[in-house]
This record gives sequence, structure tokens and C-alpha cells, in this order.
Amino acid sequence: RKEVEQDPGPFNVPEGATVAFNCTYSNSASQSFFWYRQDCRKEPKLLMSVYSSGNEDGRFTAQLNRASQYISLLIRDSKLSDSATYLCVVNSLTSNYQLIWGAGTKLIIKP
Amino acid sequence: SAVISQKPSRDICQRGTSLTIQCQVDSQVTMMFWYRQQPGQSLTLIATANQGSEATYESGFVIDKFPISRPNLTFSTLTVSNMSPEDSSIYLCSVVRAGVNEQFFGPGTRLTVL
Repeated sequence: RKEVEQDPGPFNVPEGATVAFNCTYSNSASQSFFWYRQDCRKEPKLLMSVYSSGNEDGRFTAQLNRASQYISLLIRDSKLSDSATYLCVVNSLTSNYQLIWGAGTKLIIKP
Repeated sequence: SAVISQKPSRDICQRGTSLTIQCQVDSQVTMMFWYRQQPGQSLTLIATANQGSEATYESGFVIDKFPISRPNLTFSTLTVSNMSPEDSSIYLCSVVRAGVNEQFFGPGTRLTVL
């Protein structure tokens, strides 16, 4: 089983729709969780950290379910510019600075 | 945020040769990492670049193939040695600052080995 698993997609979604991604992680002792965004041919950039209480940033909501070991990302009122690959990331237990990366979920927003 | 540059941005190399990739950060950082991202795949950590000492390699990566230097807190190099077509990939440098819970990435080096 991979340490961090995501549905690779692609998710083809009409503009304005709501889309949700899930990600599962294997190690219950993981402490830090993130969603990164990677545009085509670009480097990954942090979208948001995921906190135990859940957090929201504009149209984006991230939630953590420790019991089921999954992380979710919800995008409301999707825009064309949201088209990207969304990477689920979990800290390594050997070092909190090292990260374990999911393979990413590709999102395509269509007009 | 950190401003990170990588050189070269891309290269096409012949089998059996070596390429050194440079990573320069605009300010001192705590940690520097080297990743590989093969087409359609996620990021794989190659090693942690340690300032003034040998890098810490992940399983499947060895110093003879990927020698790394980090002479100071703002600069690191990764060499891809004795290249084969399987080394064709994007190589990314990333950094972490003390007290900042985020990794910043360089723009990447796109390597093609013929």
C-alpha cells in the first residue's frame, strides 16, 4: 500500500461546480498534512495546510479525519484557473521537515 | 517566501555523461532537499543536502550516482552521474526555513537523456 494515495483523475468539472478530492495516508502517527498545487510544467506550491479542526480559505476547504486516515479538499465555485494537479502531502515520521507526496489528482475545469 | 533559482532550467544530455544542477536561495534556510519528478508521477525525495557534511540519501538513491554538495546555507548542487535514459526527469530543489511550515521549490531542471 502506498503511504499517501490519491485518485489520479483527471476530474473534468464545469466551471462553477463544486469538486472534492480525497487522500488517504497509511501511517496513523503522521502529524502534518498539506495540499499543494502544481500547474503544468511548474513547481509545486503550497495551497493550504490541513488542521485537525478543518480550515477554510476562500473557496477552498480542507478537512482531516484521523480515525479514517484521510484528508479532503473541497473547491467551491470552481474557476478555470483552478485547473491544476493537486498533491496531498504528509510529513515523514523520520523528520517533520521531510514530506511524503501523493501522486496528485489532476483537475480540469471546463468553461 | 524564498526565492530559489536552479541552473540549468533544462538540458539534453548523452548517455554516460554527467550533469551538475545548481540551486541558489536568496536567504539562509534550514533544510535543502533534492527531488525527482518523472513524467506523470509525483515527487520522490532523492536526498537531504546537509551543510558541510555528506547528504542523507533515501532508499534507492546512492552518493555515487547522485553526489550532492552544500557548502553553505544558501547553495547546493546535485550531480546526475553516468546518465541513462531512465534518468530523464525533472529535478527539483526545495528548501525549508526554521519556524516556517512550508517547503518552497525551485523552478526545476528538466533533463532529457538520449
